[in-house]
Amino acid sequence: ILNVEQSPQSLHVQEGDSTNFTCSFPSSNFYALHWYRWETAKSPEALFVMTLNGDEKKKGRISATLNTKEGYSYLYIKGSQPEDSATYLCAFIANDMRFGAGTRLTVKP
Amino acid sequence: DTGVSQDPRHKITKRGQNVTFRCDPISEHNRLYWYRQTLGQGPEFLTYFQNEAQLEKSRLLSNRFSAERPKGSFSTLEIQRTEQGDSAMYLCASSPNLGGIYFGEGSWLTVV
Repeated sequence: ILNVEQSPQSLHVQEGDSTNFTCSFPSSNFYALHWYRWETAKSPEALFVMTLNGDEKKKGRISATLNTKEGYSYLYIKGSQPEDSATYLCAFIANDMRFGAGTRLTVKP
Repeated sequence: DTGVSQDPRHKITKRGQNVTFRCDPISEHNRLYWYRQTLGQGPEFLTYFQNEAQLEKSRLLSNRFSAERPKGSFSTLEIQRTEQGDSAMYLCASSPNLGGIYFGEGSWLTVV
């Protein structure tokens, strides 16, 4: 994988559902992986900075895991709420910073 | 290459000079965004266009900054009378109406 890929591209869930999505990145020259929550016309909000293989981070109902050997990170949202609706971006940092195209999450009440 | 392209990739300028960056978005993406990123920080929103209309502009953008997207395709970001605090990476991104956001590789500005 030469680029950062996120899947799925979009996701629609009901309020209360738990969900997860994937960020895949090159497994060489890894320095860090960032997760951001992004709403249109706003600055992306940093969620997690992950640097070590096996890292697991949690912030409220949102958590993330990191596997640098196989080049993927998962973002989990437990008990989704309508206010979680946003695009979730991952950024891979090696010699530069490369963003995935994001997963657009819509949580229906 | 059909990605977002930015030019120049690197620019060193003397304080007080004007600089202009260009962004070519992915073809048919009607939304175009400009962000600024300093070392160790996430991208800060500057402004965004829907086609040729500039819909939002951050308070971060002083009146020395101006952005245009005259035909709804490429965009330019001009900084007048540059200051050392303007040194940063200027990121452009584009997206279709309901799709993901695609970032360019950024234009690095150093003001000396």
